[in-house]
Amino acid sequence: SYVLTQPPSVSVAPGKTARITCGGNNMGTKSVHWYQQKPGQAPVVVIYYDSDRPSGIPERFSGSNSGNTATLTISRVEAGDEADYYCQVWDSSSDHQVFGGGTKLTVL
Amino acid sequence: EVQLVDSGGGQVKPGGSLRLSCAASGFTFSSYSFNWVRQAPGKGLEWVACISSRSSYIYYADSVKGRFTISRDNAKKSLFLQMNSLRAEDTAVYYCARDPAAAGRGAFDIWGQGTMVTVSP
Repeated sequence: SYVLTQPPSVSVAPGKTARITCGGNNMGTKSVHWYQQKPGQAPVVVIYYDSDRPSGIPERFSGSNSGNTATLTISRVEAGDEADYYCQVWDSSSDHQVFGGGTKLTVL
Repeated sequence: EVQLVDSGGGQVKPGGSLRLSCAASGFTFSSYSFNWVRQAPGKGLEWVACISSRSSYIYYADSVKGRFTISRDNAKKSLFLQMNSLRAEDTAVYYCARDPAAAGRGAFDIWGQGTMVTVSP
């Protein structure tokens, strides 16, 4: 089955840029979606189809996908960005949706 | 307001059954695919199942295939998950999630609040 690999944790100072990666075989051929989940809340999509941003999501959130790695970039990080972030793709070989293991973003 | 409301969770013994529901409002339910996603305590997200807008496509995670059944009632704007032969490892918060892709292979743009399922003796 298809596996998505994320770093367990990323730390960043306020005002700096955070980059969260999501690795998978031939990732660049798939559409990647990113979710933010704060404690006790349901996930919220922050980036879909690699780099599209839903309405209401700040422009500070951006995404890219190439080769074997997709990246969620959060610019000018704020304390309110502290959360768990998950990547997700559709694996057509197994007809499964697949989530990465999640990355905890800590704002120092 | 576009909304999904999950219900039906509770505590059940191993081997037991439970039926989850997800009630939709504020949008045309029949135009969307839906998914169930679960999250064990302190763990990450795990996809469980999806169903396309007209139930033409239904897919399951290997961990639940043969035990869980996803279904929908477009007239009642509701999504269901029948869970049988429950195991301790099925303990989790279960979320329903909307997928705008008709065949159910896209992003999840709206999520329910989740309902807790606990499987213990």
